[in-house]
Amino acid sequence: ETGVTQSPTHLIKTRGQQVTLRCSSQSGHNTVSWYQQALGQGPQFIFQYYREEENGRGNFPPRFSGLQFPNYSSELNVNALELDDSALYLCASSFARDYGYTFGSGTRLTVV
Amino acid sequence: EDQVTQSPEALRLQEGESSSLNCSYTVSGLRGLFWYRQDPGKGPEFLFTLYSAGEEKEKERLKATLTKKESFLHITAPKPEDSATYLCAVQYSDKIIFGKGTRLHILP
Repeated sequence: ETGVTQSPTHLIKTRGQQVTLRCSSQSGHNTVSWYQQALGQGPQFIFQYYREEENGRGNFPPRFSGLQFPNYSSELNVNALELDDSALYLCASSFARDYGYTFGSGTRLTVV
Repeated sequence: EDQVTQSPEALRLQEGESSSLNCSYTVSGLRGLFWYRQDPGKGPEFLFTLYSAGEEKEKERLKATLTKKESFLHITAPKPEDSATYLCAVQYSDKIIFGKGTRLHILP
């Protein structure tokens, strides 16, 4: 399987709710990272997983958490949603740290 | 403070008019500098990785170079299909920082 696929493509949630975003990486890509991208801004690094363990984290609160699974899928969980969490969430994978990443097309999350 | 700054924010060129985009960074222990292209409504598309000062990489009309504190993306004789936002990112320690990008518009 080639490419990175994310689901859903769009999502609307209410403030205070919880959300799970999913990502399916290319076979063999054991590194996955998640980003938040606001309109007109560059992606902001949330965290990175390598072989199912978190090995890097940006400046995001603990209510942003994730998991990586042996089948090259991963998920981003956000608890207690706030209006400022509205953004495009991108997943990216690579076969090794320090190499270029393949990005998915993202999930557009709107919190109302 | 660790940061990545891209300039200019936006650039309009005529088709065939060559130019350069800049990415300057202030991080310690650079592990890699990445260039990506992003089209509206899509995720970034990987272009290059550079690891050490003096390194250069080319792909079609694009050439990326790296010094100790900055990287340049040179675009030679651009075409309208090169219009996109170009993003620079640096990996250091266990983090990745992206710049805000340069919006490039090539006029036919």
